[in-house]
Amino acid sequence: AQSVTQPDIHITVSEGASLELRCNYSYGATPYLFWYVQSPGQGLQLLLKYFSGDTLVQGIKGFEAEFKRSQSSFNLRKPSVHWSDAAEYFCAVGLPSNTGKLIFGQGTTLQVKP
Amino acid sequence: KAGVTQTPRYLIKTRGQQVTLSCSPISGHRSVSWYQQTPGQGLQFLFEYFSETQRNKGNFPGRFSGRQFSNSRSEMNVSTLELGDSALYLCASSPRTGDTEAFFGQGTRLTVV
Repeated sequence: AQSVTQPDIHITVSEGASLELRCNYSYGATPYLFWYVQSPGQGLQLLLKYFSGDTLVQGIKGFEAEFKRSQSSFNLRKPSVHWSDAAEYFCAVGLPSNTGKLIFGQGTTLQVKP
Repeated sequence: KAGVTQTPRYLIKTRGQQVTLSCSPISGHRSVSWYQQTPGQGLQFLFEYFSETQRNKGNFPGRFSGRQFSNSRSEMNVSTLELGDSALYLCASSPRTGDTEAFFGQGTRLTVV
């Protein structure tokens, strides 16, 4: 069965430091890949997506992610974290079939230290 | 362009009751999906509707149902509520089914007491 793993449940970084959130997926082919962010009590906001092509994708708020087929990974990065980035981050895969179903990882909570 | 609108934002219901949640997708979007978010199970797919037809369904009991109207607005219904149904229910819309990203609403927080 398809699955998404975010190995880090909670990460704390200092403001201004770099960030990398890990995401691994299990699927027989290359799925569509997404990163979403959720602030407390809010819905999900799309940060970036990968469908095909260039494996390094740029998103909003200064985030980027790199798709590595050999490692089945789609890690999210940001060179310098801001206090407002504190939130929960979800990696998701969409299956290249005729449905809109997304499979989500368990999420990584990011805390930013001043 | 208005985003995905979910109503109501908060609901408190008693065990055994039923509840209906509403979702208005982004204008022009024809696909609506529903997700349940709980601390223990995370985000789980409930079902997807496209052009008033259910295209896919997650692993939830039959107490969970939905429908989509001709204007793409969608409702989901949960009957015979259980305490475990307490969750944030998120609706997402997409221009079409399949290979597009989903845009999420702010969710409806359902508390079953």
